[in-house]
Amino acid sequence: DIQMTQSPSSLSAPVGDRVTITCRASQSIANYLNWYQQKPGKAPKLLIYAASTLQSGVPSRFSGSGSGTDFTLTISSLQPEDFATYYCQQSYISPPTFGGGTKVEIK
Amino acid sequence: EVQLVQSGAEVKKPGESLKISCKVSGYSFTSYWIGWVRQMPGKGLEWMGIIYPGDSDTRYSPSFQGQVTISADKSISTAYLQWTSLKASDTAMYYCARRGVMVRGDRNGFDIWGQGTMVTVS
Repeated sequence: DIQMTQSPSSLSAPVGDRVTITCRASQSIANYLNWYQQKPGKAPKLLIYAASTLQSGVPSRFSGSGSGTDFTLTISSLQPEDFATYYCQQSYISPPTFGGGTKVEIK
Repeated sequence: EVQLVQSGAEVKKPGESLKISCKVSGYSFTSYWIGWVRQMPGKGLEWMGIIYPGDSDTRYSPSFQGQVTISADKSISTAYLQWTSLKASDTAMYYCARRGVMVRGDRNGFDIWGQGTMVTVS
């Protein structure tokens, strides 16, 4: 299975900050990388697919980049509703595997 | 509105069997793959397997092969996840989710999720 490693595992930031989360794949996955947001007690929500394409309805402060093995999710200006756990997922080779998650907390 | 509505929480004893469901509405059930994802308490997401209701083609993660069975009933637009003999380690939240068609081919993520079914084995 392809291993997906996210960093950091958690971070604390104030509202308005720029936040970057990284995701590294154990082998090249081209751009088949998805990002999800999960709030406590809720199902995950797809934010970005194909590494950089925003899912419909997702605010433009979210962006994704990368290809091959290294990817980033950036929140340009952190908002109160963005405090959640974020997961990357590769969908290049089955089984699709998730990263361990990054918990974004209020500072 | 596209919706995946899962069955309610379950509390079972070790060794018991269980089948949980995921009822789909708002789109053609037979045209999209439906997958299942496990989330153990306080942990991350694990991809379990996926089914194409149109022809019941089913794929499993090696980690879950032989441990669960995924099925679908086209007549009622419902997918299922079942166990024949539950263990305490099966305690988790289980999500069904639709694999999207945002990119060509089968390398898509899950674009619509159910609300989750909590399974407690104790």
